[in-house]
Amino acid sequence: QVHLQESGPGLVKPSQTLSLTCTVSDGSITSDVYYWNWIRQPAGKGLEWIGRVFTSGRANYNPSLRSRVAMSVDTSKKQFSLKLTSVTAADTAIYYCARGLSSGWNWGQGTLVTVSS
Amino acid sequence: QSALTQPASVSGSPGQSITISCTGTSLDVGGYKYVSWYQHHPGKVPKLLIYDVSNRPSGISNRFSGSKSGNTASLTISGLQAEDEADYYCNSYTDSNTYVFGTGTRVAVL
Repeated sequence: QVHLQESGPGLVKPSQTLSLTCTVSDGSITSDVYYWNWIRQPAGKGLEWIGRVFTSGRANYNPSLRSRVAMSVDTSKKQFSLKLTSVTAADTAIYYCARGLSSGWNWGQGTLVTVSS
Repeated sequence: QSALTQPASVSGSPGQSITISCTGTSLDVGGYKYVSWYQHHPGKVPKLLIYDVSNRPSGISNRFSGSKSGNTASLTISGLQAEDEADYYCNSYTDSNTYVFGTGTRVAVL
């Protein structure tokens, strides 16, 4: 059973860049059948899909975040990453990583990121 | 892209059946079979209940079923149990090669 674990700073200052990494264990990161997602949930609100990245480097992003988001994959470390620039308090949320495939997504536990000075 | 529309809350008594709707457009729900449903207990990891509109992953109770008609997908929970009290989200692939979640539905077991 694949396991995903998010890591990164829990506190980011406004206008700075939020950087998170998701480490994949007990599963392949190189298979073409998978794609690697980031999702977030602000407190008291619903889930928001941020984007996905393939091992090839190709990525698709939520149009509302596209100008500020970048995702990448490091197969040697079995990790994929999220960068979100120019953050504001509205970016405070629990951030989840998830492995996507045709039969559904496997999620990490999530990590809380707070944007505050 | 706009979030798919779900009712804010649905309630039912133990043993009853409830249905949660998820309305999108022909560019997402109506155009693809890639609709999934997740159960989310606060503080826990979202749990996949249904994928590809109506398929249940291994280990998911057959009390959960999914369907789709036009631009609206639905999740039905039969034999409602106290443990079903949670938030439920639909998710759909879109014509822009992106995904979009529903607004979420809080299920209450009376």
